[in-house]
Amino acid sequence: DQQVKQNSPSLSVQEGRISILNCDYTNSMFDYFLWYKKYPAEGPTFLISISSIKDKNEDGRFTVFLNKSAKHLSLHIVPSQPGDSAVYFCAALGRYSGGGADGLTFGKGTHLIIQP
Amino acid sequence: DSGVTQTPKHLITATGQRVTLRCSPRSGDLSVYWYQQSLDQGLQFLIQYYNGEERAKGNILERFSAQQFPDLHSELNLSSLELGDSALYFCASSRWTSGSTDTQYFGPGTRLTVL
Repeated sequence: DQQVKQNSPSLSVQEGRISILNCDYTNSMFDYFLWYKKYPAEGPTFLISISSIKDKNEDGRFTVFLNKSAKHLSLHIVPSQPGDSAVYFCAALGRYSGGGADGLTFGKGTHLIIQP
Repeated sequence: DSGVTQTPKHLITATGQRVTLRCSPRSGDLSVYWYQQSLDQGLQFLIQYYNGEERAKGNILERFSAQQFPDLHSELNLSSLELGDSALYFCASSRWTSGSTDTQYFGPGTRLTVL
């Protein structure tokens, strides 16, 4: 059962335009969400996060929006640049055994391609 | 560079064997997490250690185990290896186990190939 879903395996956007990556989740216990970017042969790199008490968080060109009622979040990148081409993972803080709450549940990723 | 180091970068072994993957967290980080990335399952949380003690368990098989040492580095032990264990194994670290807003920083991963 996939608790975090990224339904678009890939997305192609022209350089300079807005990239919008979407993510849906099913577990209402999630209270913290993160976006990671990953290049081939490297580990995921943290981009931006949002707590469930907020509906928007902005950091430079990156903005994350959270719609709790719809269990949906999105990452906006404006303007898109060639270096943004990578796989983007949505992640949520999950609840696991032993009372721990720190394992991340990841979506399967969206491959963003920025075209010149 | 996240500051998290993992060794080895690549590992090739045979079915039935046992391997150990090593992770050094960022300086000052007390929590270490292990994740497995396979083609069909994506990135999955395996286990977390905080200051030497197991803190949370995810989808970790009984053939797998981990530990965190007094110097805070961690090792993931994989035994009785099967073909399906071939994957990328990532280690991540964070400052402490706040449970909510502690960002995890990932290492470059170890690619395990089981033949």
